[in-house]
Amino acid sequence: AQSVSQHNHHVILSEAASLELGCNYSYGGTVNLFWYVQYPGQHLQLLLKYFSGDPLVKGIKGFEAEFIKSKFSFNLRKPSVQWSDTAEYFCAVNAKLRGNEKLTFGTGTRLTIIP
Amino acid sequence: EAEVAQSPRYKITEKSQAVAFWCDPISGHATLYWYRQILGQGPELLVQFQDESVVDDSQLPKDRFSAERLKGVDSTLKIQPAELGDSAMYLCASSLDPLRTDTQYFGPGTRLTVL
Repeated sequence: AQSVSQHNHHVILSEAASLELGCNYSYGGTVNLFWYVQYPGQHLQLLLKYFSGDPLVKGIKGFEAEFIKSKFSFNLRKPSVQWSDTAEYFCAVNAKLRGNEKLTFGTGTRLTIIP
Repeated sequence: EAEVAQSPRYKITEKSQAVAFWCDPISGHATLYWYRQILGQGPELLVQFQDESVVDDSQLPKDRFSAERLKGVDSTLKIQPAELGDSAMYLCASSLDPLRTDTQYFGPGTRLTVL
């Protein structure tokens, strides 16, 4: 079965600092990768996704993520964070199992940005 | 922008009572998902529908949980009887067609507290 690991449970940064959130997955087949974000009091929203092609994908609000197949990783990055980036971030993997695709989430990383 | 609708947003109940949650997916989305998100964890799939048919309910505790999508549009998730451990956020999501690796769009969730 597939699994997703997010190593950072809570990250605290000052505004303008650079961000990198780790995500590793375990699955031997073809996967599609996602980062979702949940702002305080709001529902889960898609930040970015990787299906195929260029392993460096760009999402909304200046976020990007790089798929490194050899490392089974899909880390999220942003060069300069803002206070409004305070949220919970979830990495997710979608793998085809028995002809169906199942989305598996990591445990999430809570990001707190200090003004 | 179309959104997934869920109600109620909050539900407080006593253990052994019955509770029900409703979800209306984005119009035209054939696939509907129910997830449970326990505090501090990522969402976990409970059940997946393709139109009115259940595709995956392997993680649904069938002794107390039931889900239906009778006309292939909106859906109801029921818990009877509720237990203390059922306290969680229940999320509904929808996608156009999982076989096309479509993105899942999430509703605001129903936060259940069992006393």
